[in-house]
Amino acid sequence: DIQMTQSPSSLSASVGDRVTITCQASQDISNYLNWYQQKPGKAPKLLIHDASNLETGVPSRFSGSGSGADFIFTISSLQPEDIATYYCQQYYNLPYTFGQGTKLEIK
Amino acid sequence: QVQLQESGPGLVKPSETLSLTCTVSGGSISSHYWSWIRQPPGKGLEWIGYIYYSGSTNYNPSLKSRVTLSVDTSKNQFSLKLSSVTAADTAVYYCARGGSTPASWGQGTLVTVSS
Repeated sequence: DIQMTQSPSSLSASVGDRVTITCQASQDISNYLNWYQQKPGKAPKLLIHDASNLETGVPSRFSGSGSGADFIFTISSLQPEDIATYYCQQYYNLPYTFGQGTKLEIK
Repeated sequence: QVQLQESGPGLVKPSETLSLTCTVSGGSISSHYWSWIRQPPGKGLEWIGYIYYSGSTNYNPSLKSRVTLSVDTSKNQFSLKLSSVTAADTAVYYCARGGSTPASWGQGTLVTVSS
C-alpha cells in the first residue's frame, strides 16, 4: 500500500495567516492526489482534486500544488470557518489511502 | 444535487455481519462509481471499496475477505456487507459518489460492534 504522511499533525494559526500543510507519498503518485476538509461531526468535503484543481464552489483561498511524491495544501488567508481536519488521499494505486490528517485550530 | 443517505443497524454483535444501505436521491445511480469509506472514532479515514453501477467492484485487500458491495439500480441504492465483525470495525461508515475521487458524501452512520 502507498503510505501518505501529512505534516504537521496539528497546527494553530491566526485569522488571516497563510497556512501550509504538506503530504508526502511513499512513492511517486504523479498528480493522483485529493485534499479533503472535515469539520467535527461532518462528512469530509472534497476541496481539491488532481493535486491542484479546485472543486467547484470552493473558495479561491484554498490551493494545492505538487506532483510525484510531495504535495502542498495552502490556505492563503485563514478564516474562522476553516477550522477543521484536512486529509490528503492518493488514488494512484489501489487500495486508495489517506494521510493521517492535519487538525487546524485558531490561535 | 445528488444526496446520499446511509441506513442500517447502529449496533452489531461481534462475529455477525454489518449491513448498510446507501440511498441516492437527486440523481441516478447509473453511470457512476459508488464508494464506502469508514472512520473509527477519533481516527482517520479508511477506504473500504467501490462499486460501479454495472456491479463491478474493487475492495481494500485488508477487508476483501469480509466485504461485499452490491448495487440495486431499480431502487437507486447500493449496499455494504461486512462479515465476522469485531470491535475494530466500530466506525462511522460513509457512502459516497465517485470511485477514485469521492466528491459527494452521505452524512455517515455510526456502527458500534458490541455484545
